[in-house]
Formats: sequence, C-alpha cells, structure tokens
Amino acid sequence: GNSVTQMEGPVTLSEEAFLTINCTYTATGYPSLFWYVQYPGEGLQLLLKATKADDKGSNKGFEATYRKETTSFHLEKGSVQVSDSAVYFCALSVNTNAGKSTFGDGTTLTVKP
Amino acid sequence: EAGVTQFPSHSVIEKGQTVTLRCDPISGHDNLYWYRRVMGKEIKFLLHFVKESKQDESGMPNNRFLAERTGGTYSTLKVQPAELEDSGVYFCASSQALGDALGYTFGSGTRLTVV
Repeated sequence: GNSVTQMEGPVTLSEEAFLTINCTYTATGYPSLFWYVQYPGEGLQLLLKATKADDKGSNKGFEATYRKETTSFHLEKGSVQVSDSAVYFCALSVNTNAGKSTFGDGTTLTVKP
Repeated sequence: EAGVTQFPSHSVIEKGQTVTLRCDPISGHDNLYWYRRVMGKEIKFLLHFVKESKQDESGMPNNRFLAERTGGTYSTLKVQPAELEDSGVYFCASSQALGDALGYTFGSGTRLTVV
C-alpha cells in the first residue's frame, strides 16, 4: 500500500532560520509528490509538487526535490518568516488511484520573531 | 473564482445525534473528494465522486456515514448516529483532473466535535 511518513512536530524556529521538514514515502506505482500547507483558520493549499524523479518543486521560497533512490521529498526553506507558521502536509498520489491522495500526519511549524 | 466552500465551519453535537456537512466545490469541477483528519493524525481519504457517481468509497469508516452528490454539484456528508471517535476535521476538495492531478483545491474544513 501507500504511506507517507513525516518528521514529527511541532517545530519551533526563530525568524530567518533554515527549515527542513523530512518526508519519506512508500508507494505502489510511480507517485506524484506534494506539499500542502494549512495556515491558521484556512483550508489546505497546495504549496508545491513534483511528478517525476529529480524534479524540484518550488514556491514562496520553499523547495523540495523528488528523490526516488531514497524515496524522499524533504521540504526546505532558507530563511523562514513568522508568516510561514502553519501546518505542513506531505502527500502522494498514484495514477491508478484516480486522484486519491495519501497524506502524512502533518508537521506544525511555529516561527518566532 | 470562488473556492471550495464548506459549512458549517464548526459543529458540536452530542453522541447519538445526526450531523450533515456540506461542500460546494468549484464550479465545473467534476471530481469531489471527502477527507478527514482525526486527533491531529494524518488526513485520510473517505470517498471520491465523479459528478454524481461514487467513484471510490473505500475510505468510508462504516455505514453511519452517508455521502451524496445529487445533481453533481454540491455534496453532503451525513453522520448518523454520531460517535465520539467521529470527532475531527472534515475536508472537502475538488479538482478537474484525475490521476496524479495538479493537486486539489481544498475547503477550510468542518471541525466536528462529538461530546
């Protein structure tokens, strides 16, 4: 079956610190990989995605590279801001599942000024 | 373009009562999904509609949950009777594309608390 394992939280950082949130996966088939973000009081938003090995997804200063050899899709940002405080979810979707996605547990990030 | 709308945003009900959650997808999106996050754990798939048809309901936990999408527009998810373990956040999402799509558009979720 499919599964996603995320780094456990919560994570607390100071502004301008470097962020890494680890994500590894197992999948039957060739998955597409996603990071979603949920800001306080809002719905889930797609942050970035990658659909094949060695692809790098990027958005709003966040990056993640699809590593097939290590089955990983770690999220990174060089300098976090207070406004990045949110819950981050790693997810995968395999074509054969007709759009159904498998999510990780979510990692809560708090950035302090 | 309006996003995915869910209501109510919060609901507190007693064990044994009935609750109906509603989701309005983005206009023109044939695919509608229900997910839920229980006790701060992973977001789990419940079911998938293509228009008014249930494409996949493998994630529905038991027969106390009933989802409908009459007319292929908005969808409702009814829990009857509600149990304590049904508490969590219920998300709805819609998309145009299937497969390893472009990511869904999610609603803000309904936080259900069963006491």
